[in-house]
Amino acid sequence: DSGVTQTPKHLITATGQRVTLRCSPRSGDLSVYWYQQSLDQGLQFLIQYYNGEERAKGNILERFSAQQFPDLHSELNLSSLELGDSALYFCASSPGSGGTDTQYFGPGTRLTVL
Amino acid sequence: GENVEQHPSTLSVQEGDSAVIKCTYSDSASNYFPWYKQELGKRPQLIIDIRSNVGEKKDQRIAVTLNKTAKHFSLHITETQPEDSAVYFCAASEPPGGYNKLIFGAGTRLAVHP
Repeated sequence: DSGVTQTPKHLITATGQRVTLRCSPRSGDLSVYWYQQSLDQGLQFLIQYYNGEERAKGNILERFSAQQFPDLHSELNLSSLELGDSALYFCASSPGSGGTDTQYFGPGTRLTVL
Repeated sequence: GENVEQHPSTLSVQEGDSAVIKCTYSDSASNYFPWYKQELGKRPQLIIDIRSNVGEKKDQRIAVTLNKTAKHFSLHITETQPEDSAVYFCAASEPPGGYNKLIFGAGTRLAVHP
């Protein structure tokens, strides 16, 4: 157990809908990261937040947005869902924001869009 | 941006043999290289990492070597066991800039046969 928690574990929804994925980092960690893992794309970095502020962006679609709250938990919002958004979404956390910090992954949320 | 290539995509070994997975990266300024193990449907788990000021690091049966001149790093697993069977991902952290974006390789599926 990494200490990173994610809810829900599974989510099944329809195209065009909106969902929210939630992540709580390890105690004391200030950075939260979101990754998408699909069969044909591997692990793709989406976005990093550090202490409430956006730090880095990857290949995150405009339909997706995220935020980190004062208690450091983070939410990833996915809207206008398409079949291709079906994937495992992982959250990770690390103590700081720097490039050599170890990232610890949560158990993931499996999103299925029908 | 950073690009990471990983080889081989699949690797099959007999129990007790060694396994080697190789990765190359494109940006010479990258300075952090973790390796993650992922079992089916589970979260990526950090197994070892190396920072650019070190050429080799060992942890029991696992070792990682880094060649910054050639921009490649390798994972070595000795005395493989069936429980080593999983997908292994290498990653490189995009060059320092106050953020921590991990770029992952495509993964290596390791099968250890008893």
